[in-house]
Amino acid sequence: DGGITQSPKYLFRKEGQNVTLSCEQNLNHDAMYWYRQDPGQGLRLIYYSQIVNDFQKGDIAEGYSVSREKKESFPLTVTSAQKNPTAFYLCASRPLTPNNEQFFGPGTRLTVL
Amino acid sequence: AQRVTQPEKLLSVFKGAPVELKCNYSYSGSPELFWYVQYSRQRLQLLLRHISRESIKGFTADLNKGETSFHLKKPFAQEEDSAMYYCAAQGGSEKLVFGKGTKLTVNP
Repeated sequence: DGGITQSPKYLFRKEGQNVTLSCEQNLNHDAMYWYRQDPGQGLRLIYYSQIVNDFQKGDIAEGYSVSREKKESFPLTVTSAQKNPTAFYLCASRPLTPNNEQFFGPGTRLTVL
Repeated sequence: AQRVTQPEKLLSVFKGAPVELKCNYSYSGSPELFWYVQYSRQRLQLLLRHISRESIKGFTADLNKGETSFHLKKPFAQEEDSAMYYCAAQGGSEKLVFGKGTKLTVNP
């Protein structure tokens, strides 16, 4: 179970504010991912990173930004440009060997007031 | 475009009944296929993957390349199987593409 932590568990933000969600892993995984989970929408990929100092946009990157300065950390910033930021955000990691499963964090629920 | 389709948003069965959660995929090449499960108040976790050809918690999934399907089955559902189930596919791009999920409820 452990190995990937996300903080905080619940986050409230006022409209117009940027907010950063934390994701840390101690599994020595190369790849890390951010997903957004909405009811009836499944998981949609926001950003992913396969190596330090490199990351790629996923399917719904607009209004989000990330950084990957350390292997174990992949923070996600939800900017004021994201039109509908209230959602459940999941971070995941996996080794880069073929066909290995992704391990998920417990998630952060962001609510914009 | 790469796509994973789970046609049922909700599925409700009685305890002891067989259950089948449907998954169809549209992918170039031969993707690797997975089923992930999210129990209430728990993390999303891998249930099984095609390449392992294993049975986990009584669930199996058969890949049908002709029908591009990877349906999840269990002959006798249990109440603890109630959860959200996601089918996912991964091709050479390293990205995992998820379906929209099926919420399974097993009634006593």
